[in-house]
Amino acid sequence: KQEVTQIPAALSVPEGENLVLNCSFTDSAIYNLQWFRQDPGKGLTSLLLIQSSQREQTSGRLNASLDKSSGRSTLYIAASQPGDSATYLCAVKWETSGSRLTFGEGTQLTVNP
Amino acid sequence: EADIYQTPRYLVIGTGKKITLECSQTMGHDKMYWYQQDPGMELHLIHYSYGVNSTEKGDLSSESTVSRIRTEHFPLTLESARPSHTSQYLCASRPGQGIAKNIQYFGAGTRLSVL
Repeated sequence: KQEVTQIPAALSVPEGENLVLNCSFTDSAIYNLQWFRQDPGKGLTSLLLIQSSQREQTSGRLNASLDKSSGRSTLYIAASQPGDSATYLCAVKWETSGSRLTFGEGTQLTVNP
Repeated sequence: EADIYQTPRYLVIGTGKKITLECSQTMGHDKMYWYQQDPGMELHLIHYSYGVNSTEKGDLSSESTVSRIRTEHFPLTLESARPSHTSQYLCASRPGQGIAKNIQYFGAGTRLSVL
């Protein structure tokens, strides 16, 4: 069964700290992996997309890595800010799943001023 | 098992036509979403709804409109399709509460080509 797991479920850090969010998946035959942000009461905002052939992607203070062999991806947030507080979701599109995405349950991040 | 359906799966139409993309879910979810995704690119939110008679525009501007008259149904309409609307459109829903509140269930998508 193709599953996505995110650890931890919640994380609280002081402003300015660097942090890592983890995502693991059970089937290494992925097509791509995306990291999303979800603010309370809103839909998803796509942050980074990593294709199966890539090892990492960077956007501003965000860096996402992908290790297919170990079934893991990490989202690194540098110099965290209170505005980074949100739920971060990892989603996998597998080679056999067509356009369907499978999401993890998310990590709720709180950055304290 | 969660069920969310999108029709049609593929649509090729000419410029200027009015089209409606259908999305239905049988899970009783209040929250529903429409996303647009070009091949190999990120997913972008174009519309969302938190319940019957509630609709909002998303992060990506779109010339489409949506309606939510029934909980299970969230159609997307293009009044006059143009080649720039060529893309894949994905519908999703989530429960919004409970253990799985953040898990979105996606339909298989509609791949639209406007000639």
